[in-house]
Amino acid sequence: GAVVSQHPSWVICKSGTSVKIECRSLDFQATTMFWYRQFPKQSLMLMATSNEGSKATYEQGVEKDKFLINHASLTLSTLTVTSAHPEDSSFYICSAKSRDGELFFGEGSRLTVL
Amino acid sequence: GNSVTQMEGPVTLSEEAFLTINCTYTATGYPSLFWYVQYPGEGLQLLLKATKADDKGSNKGFEATYRKETTSFHLEKGSVQVSDSAVYFCASGRAGTALIFGKGTTLSVSS
Repeated sequence: GAVVSQHPSWVICKSGTSVKIECRSLDFQATTMFWYRQFPKQSLMLMATSNEGSKATYEQGVEKDKFLINHASLTLSTLTVTSAHPEDSSFYICSAKSRDGELFFGEGSRLTVL
Repeated sequence: GNSVTQMEGPVTLSEEAFLTINCTYTATGYPSLFWYVQYPGEGLQLLLKATKADDKGSNKGFEATYRKETTSFHLEKGSVQVSDSAVYFCASGRAGTALIFGKGTTLSVSS
């Protein structure tokens, strides 16, 4: 089946630094990618919708200047957490939509900010 | 707004026991409904789905029926295995759009 890969799968950084997470669709072109955030024992919360070649659409309450999303190609979207703080520690998951509308999820990236 | 509510876990069962994980939804119109499974250390995988009322999704012995009258999509399996231990997420949404997820239910099956 279709595969979506996230990298890194886990990252630890110091407070104030920026971290980039990549989401790649390995064997299909993804016109749209979604970024979710998951807190322990909580649901996945949609952060933003990313369309190739255009600006991402952020959900209410998500700071677009803090969570920079770039969807430069049909197989790659990146999420950059800028000036990370401990409260940004979370599990970030991307989902890619194939041309026939199916959704495929990455393995997730666990961010820990010290 | 739209939402998905699923039973809180953890659910602890013995092998070969019957499993039910309840899921209800609120939505405008009639969304598609999904069950995703997340095995330890892995990403979410689609387990089954149903796109309209009375549809039954099934996969790997799991079943769920889209009930419009009760706005439910309960997950069932007649005989669970240790390998079914995972976190199960109920979700709703339109095809190709971002999904709305429940909080997830952890299932632990012991031999």
